Amino acid sequence: GEDVEQSLFLSVREGDSSVINCTYTDSSSTYLYWYKQEPGAGLQLLTYIFSNMDMKQDQRLTVLLNKKDKHLSLRIADTQTGDSAIYFCAEKGGTGRRALTFGSGTRLQVQP
Amino acid sequence: GAVVSQHPSWVICKSGTSVKIECRSLDFQATTMFWYRQFPKQSLMLMATSNEGSKATYEQGVEKDKFLINHASLTLSTLTVTSAHPEDSSFYICSARYGFPRDNEQFFGPGTRLTVL
Repeated sequence: GEDVEQSLFLSVREGDSSVINCTYTDSSSTYLYWYKQEPGAGLQLLTYIFSNMDMKQDQRLTVLLNKKDKHLSLRIADTQTGDSAIYFCAEKGGTGRRALTFGSGTRLQVQP
Repeated sequence: GAVVSQHPSWVICKSGTSVKIECRSLDFQATTMFWYRQFPKQSLMLMATSNEGSKATYEQGVEKDKFLINHASLTLSTLTVTSAHPEDSSFYICSARYGFPRDNEQFFGPGTRLTVL
């Protein structure tokens, strides 16, 4: 089945950029997503990218997609302490399956 | 817009009892809702896909008689954990999806933490 992998933990200093990486195996992925989860809360949709795009920028967030390598990244510019959370990468396959497949999540810790 | 609520946010129950969790899309009609389960420090595992007015589609390994899903309207889906046991303790999260052409956007509720004693 489909698999989505992420590194478990990332620590950065406030004001630096954060880059969270994700790889996936489903070559028929149509959309790829980034969600943010704060402690004890649900998931907040941050952004998503269509599989025929290479990049999408939304304020401090930049998503890069390398479809050939099945690699997705989320860059957060000027990282703030409020960005500390778990970030989930997810993909939606194009084989008729409509649910999302999630990675294990990357815990981002922002040090003041 | 695109707000999804869940109720309750936290429930503690005795083993053997049933617990109902509600998921509502507050400001849009959701033709499809999903139920996920999340264990501590783990990712979300899809339990079932629920379409309004039809039976839910369960993922492999999820007991449909244990986790009853009802999607009675375009804004409400319920998950009932029947005869709950301690191993059912988990964080249950629902999500709701817009209809076409925004059916690629999926929004999540805040989750319900279930503790079974």
